[in-house]
Amino acid sequence: SQQGEEDPQALSIQEGENATMNCSYKTSINNLQWYRQNSGRGLVHLILIRSNEREKHSGRLRVTLDTSKKSSSLLITASRAADTASYFCATVDQGAQKLVFGQGTRLTINP
Amino acid sequence: NAGVMQNPRHLVRRRGQEARLRCSPMKGHSHVYWYRQLPEEGLKFMVYLQKENIIDESGMPKERFSAEFPKEGPSILRIQQVVRGDSAAYFCASSSSNRPRETQYFGPGTRLLVL
Repeated sequence: SQQGEEDPQALSIQEGENATMNCSYKTSINNLQWYRQNSGRGLVHLILIRSNEREKHSGRLRVTLDTSKKSSSLLITASRAADTASYFCATVDQGAQKLVFGQGTRLTINP
Repeated sequence: NAGVMQNPRHLVRRRGQEARLRCSPMKGHSHVYWYRQLPEEGLKFMVYLQKENIIDESGMPKERFSAEFPKEGPSILRIQQVVRGDSAAYFCASSSSNRPRETQYFGPGTRLLVL
């Protein structure tokens, strides 16, 4: 069943601005992951945050996790045209190993 | 290091034919997952396999779909008697034996079109 819900569904910003995407889920998770998918391509893993972590950084990416609200956010700072893609959050439930994906946020960076 | 490999990348079948999708996991990975993506949607889990074992097939349709991961060779997702609704992108992912809940590495996908 689908549980990750991304917000917004689509986001269009100017190059250099920051982009924030949110994800909500419903179950008790082991970890939450963010993936990027360029149009017509496969998925690229961006970052994983465990249920006992609150914030994680990787380059221009910052992910937060609030397990009390069952939500996560992905912040991309100083956006570039190459960041244009769909971004998906995916959760791994406690005791499970499959990823449960949200519907994704389509991010467009305008030059 | 080769990543996850899938073939074919594109597959066209007529209704009623069979589709066979192949996935070779990353070197050293013995956990394989199959996901399906419909246009403009997220990926949906289908099946999770380890070598010679189906661990979780809760996302597999009850009929026409089967998956295997033999001791030797790639994982195969088989769709019998395809229908137009099977048209989608099918992605395979693999993960390390030691940390299966951690990062899954995705292949480029097979785009199936049923005419």
